[in-house]
Amino acid sequence: GESVGLHLPTLSVQEGDNSIINCAYSNSASDYFIWYKQESGKGPQFIIDIRSNMDKRQGQRVTVLLNKTVKHLSLQIAATQPGDSAVYFCADPYSSASKIIFGSGTRLSIRP
Amino acid sequence: DTGVSQNPRHKITKRGQNVTFRCDPISEHNRLYWYRQTLGQGPEFLTYFQNEAQLEKSRLLSDRFSAERPKGSFSTLEIQRTEQGDSAMYLCASSLTSNTGELFFGEGSRLTVL
Repeated sequence: GESVGLHLPTLSVQEGDNSIINCAYSNSASDYFIWYKQESGKGPQFIIDIRSNMDKRQGQRVTVLLNKTVKHLSLQIAATQPGDSAVYFCADPYSSASKIIFGSGTRLSIRP
Repeated sequence: DTGVSQNPRHKITKRGQNVTFRCDPISEHNRLYWYRQTLGQGPEFLTYFQNEAQLEKSRLLSDRFSAERPKGSFSTLEIQRTEQGDSAMYLCASSLTSNTGELFFGEGSRLTVL
């Protein structure tokens, strides 16, 4: 089965609000996590990654938080824009022999 | 470099025909991956190469599917005796061995089997 799972299949947010997409993992030995974004009609695109020696990592308008105690990670998108509409995937390559195994993702839609 | 290139972008074929897709990865990337994606699902891993060596194949890859990367550069994915269930988007991605978390995907080849 999957080693990571997104909590919600869909998420709708108001434009300008912050978005939080949550993901749980099962393997306490996992040491590396990745987030991908897939816009309609395109291949997935790497957003950000985090290693288990960190609790937080920031990119441009995105922040990933890692809580190893409860085996949970989240992707936060600040000031959500229409261009953020996409399906978001979290992945745990450690548990899949260094491959990226995608689940079904969370579809983020933006309300104007 | 223009990124990962896949062709054809679209292929419509009749059941029972063979089809072949080509992927040209980013030139310095030694890893190449094939995924399949159907509507509403995430990409499913099919197989990957390290240079010319095919290191892993998913159970999803039936014996009708074959992938090659003969010179460690471009790759082909052939599907023999296509079935309607093969209709999907076939995605190729490449990466550096030193950073296998960051895959660069092409825009995919969409297969429709009638």
